[in-house]
Amino acid sequence: SQQGEEDPQALSIQEGENATMNCSYKTSINNLQWYRQNSGRGLVHLILIRSNEREKHSGRLRVTLDTSKKSSSLLITASRAADTASYFCATPGDTGNQFYFGTGTSLTVIP
Amino acid sequence: EPEVTQTPSHQVTQMGQEVILRCVPISNHLYFYWYRQILGQKVEFLVSFYNNEISEKSEIFDDQFSVERPDGSNFTLKIRSTKLEDSAMYFCASSDRWGTGELFFGEGSRLTVL
Repeated sequence: SQQGEEDPQALSIQEGENATMNCSYKTSINNLQWYRQNSGRGLVHLILIRSNEREKHSGRLRVTLDTSKKSSSLLITASRAADTASYFCATPGDTGNQFYFGTGTSLTVIP
Repeated sequence: EPEVTQTPSHQVTQMGQEVILRCVPISNHLYFYWYRQILGQKVEFLVSFYNNEISEKSEIFDDQFSVERPDGSNFTLKIRSTKLEDSAMYFCASSDRWGTGELFFGEGSRLTVL
């Protein structure tokens, strides 16, 4: 399967703490994306990191990519209750005609 | 801000019935996708569509499924004869770029097959 696998499956933290989620994938990629999904809602794009980038920031988000280990991490700093959601990594398929999503990390931020 | 819209938000149908789920992608996007998510499970790729034809489809997208862009704005997913296991949330997405474009998702259509 080309789908990524997120780790952990579930994460519960206190508001203000940092949350780190990891994604591992199997094939060579030219980019990796992270998405967020609030319960019962559609997915929302958070950030894209290209294969020639090692780290990227967007607001309170920090994404890293290690192509040698085929892994990526998403760090949310100073978490808020509103960050409670599921987070998915997505990688392009061989032809670029599709994106494969991982199994997701369910993040709960306790106020 | 432009958005992808999906209708209906929820459809209940009897097993064996045909269902059409509708999507209006963002107007200047050229690449369209359907994904599904069974409750609490992963987001699964169904099909991608470009230039009025299927670009890629998954094993899930069998002969019971079809997609169409009947006019310049709508993008539909048809399930010919629904099964219980088709119950899921179906998400439409669109993008303006191939392979490196951000996917913009609709809010989904929940399909319940009884």
